[in-house]
Amino acid sequence: EVQLVQSGAEVKKPGDSLRISCKGSGYTLTNYWIGWVRQMPGKGLEWMGIIYPSDSDTRYNPSFQGQVTISADKSISTVYLQWSSLKASDTAIYYCATTKVRYSGRPGTHFDNWGQGTLVTVSS
Amino acid sequence: VVLTQSPGTLSLSPGERATLSCRASQSVASSYLAWYQQKPGQAPRLLIYAASSRATGIPGRFSGSGSGTDFTLTISRLEPEDFAVYYCQQYGGSPGFTFGPGTKVDIK
Repeated sequence: EVQLVQSGAEVKKPGDSLRISCKGSGYTLTNYWIGWVRQMPGKGLEWMGIIYPSDSDTRYNPSFQGQVTISADKSISTVYLQWSSLKASDTAIYYCATTKVRYSGRPGTHFDNWGQGTLVTVSS
Repeated sequence: VVLTQSPGTLSLSPGERATLSCRASQSVASSYLAWYQQKPGQAPRLLIYAASSRATGIPGRFSGSGSGTDFTLTISRLEPEDFAVYYCQQYGGSPGFTFGPGTKVDIK
């Protein structure tokens, strides 16, 4: 069974840096890409970016490019989402989710397994 | 690609049929359209992929249809646990993955 376990809730101040994590288990690493999805309070879902942990191939939603960094440590099946300088507008729940590898190693077209979410609160 | 979902809120009673619409600003390959359910305080759950294929463990009362720019999620008979927010999602073009704004199905 595929499981994604995310790190716990964070409370930070504007300007702080932060890295949250998503640890996968129950699957073969080479079979999945991992994406990050933001959900601001009371709002919908926004795709931020995606990474193939086997080789760290990463693709970003242009809206989030330069705002966050997605990385992976395949040795521990963990993917990260990182901010260098948080803003109040980064307050949200962040989900990681898997999508299966398609032909030629491309990411899949939908997210089939989701982590439980990490609440990030940024407030002075 | 921009996805529009309608209605924004659907108020129905248990046992009724729910029909949710997802419209794309340009044609979407059917293979690239999915639906998710999200309940309060929970992560989204994949219901339908490739427009009409049910994900593992999803009850038969959930069905998806459509092609091109118009897609539909139908819940044949609403169960109490089906009251939730439903999102459509497409893959392709820029930015890659796009979600619709969601339809809330609440109890009438």
